[in-house]
Amino acid sequence: SQQGEEDPQALSIQEGENATMNCSYKTSINNLQWYRQNSGRGLVHLILIRSNEREKHSGRLRVTLDTSKKSSSLLITASRAADTASYFCAASTGFQKLVFGTGTRLLVSP
Amino acid sequence: SAVISQKPSRDICQRGTSLTIQCQVDSQVTMMFWYRQQPGQSLTLIATANQGSEATYESGFVIDKFPISRPNLTFSTLTVSNMSPEDSSIYLCSAETGSYEQYFGPGTRLTVT
Repeated sequence: SQQGEEDPQALSIQEGENATMNCSYKTSINNLQWYRQNSGRGLVHLILIRSNEREKHSGRLRVTLDTSKKSSSLLITASRAADTASYFCAASTGFQKLVFGTGTRLLVSP
Repeated sequence: SAVISQKPSRDICQRGTSLTIQCQVDSQVTMMFWYRQQPGQSLTLIATANQGSEATYESGFVIDKFPISRPNLTFSTLTVSNMSPEDSSIYLCSAETGSYEQYFGPGTRLTVT
């Protein structure tokens, strides 16, 4: 299977804490994208990092990419209860096709 | 970005029937895709919907089971044919906007009984 792996599978933290999720993929990529999914609904696009970038920020999100290790991480700082969701990384291979990771379920408790 | 809508949002269907899911994008896009998300799982790409030509299917997915149409640059349909309970999933369409970012519709939750 080409599917990527994410860890941890589940993460439980308190509001105000930081959450870090890791993603590994198997093939060469053009870019890597992170998504949030609330309760089996549609995916919300969070951030795209290109293969020639090492770090990218968007608000409380920080994404890193290490192409030599075929890995990426998503850091959410100062988490809120509203951040409770599943988070997926998706590696863009040829023809803009996305190969998704297994996902991390994040629970942020008030 | 792109705003994508899907119809229906959910449906309960009987074994052996077919369901067509519609996907509408609020702007013209080059690339549209269909994904499946089985219960508790991640997303798997079914096919790339090509405008004006046959869809390109991923390994494990065939046109007879998942026929796809793409009549123009803003619209696509996916049909799930001869359904069985194993087809119970969320089906999502997506569109790539030209900036490589891929946006998703809200999904269609299908239950087959």
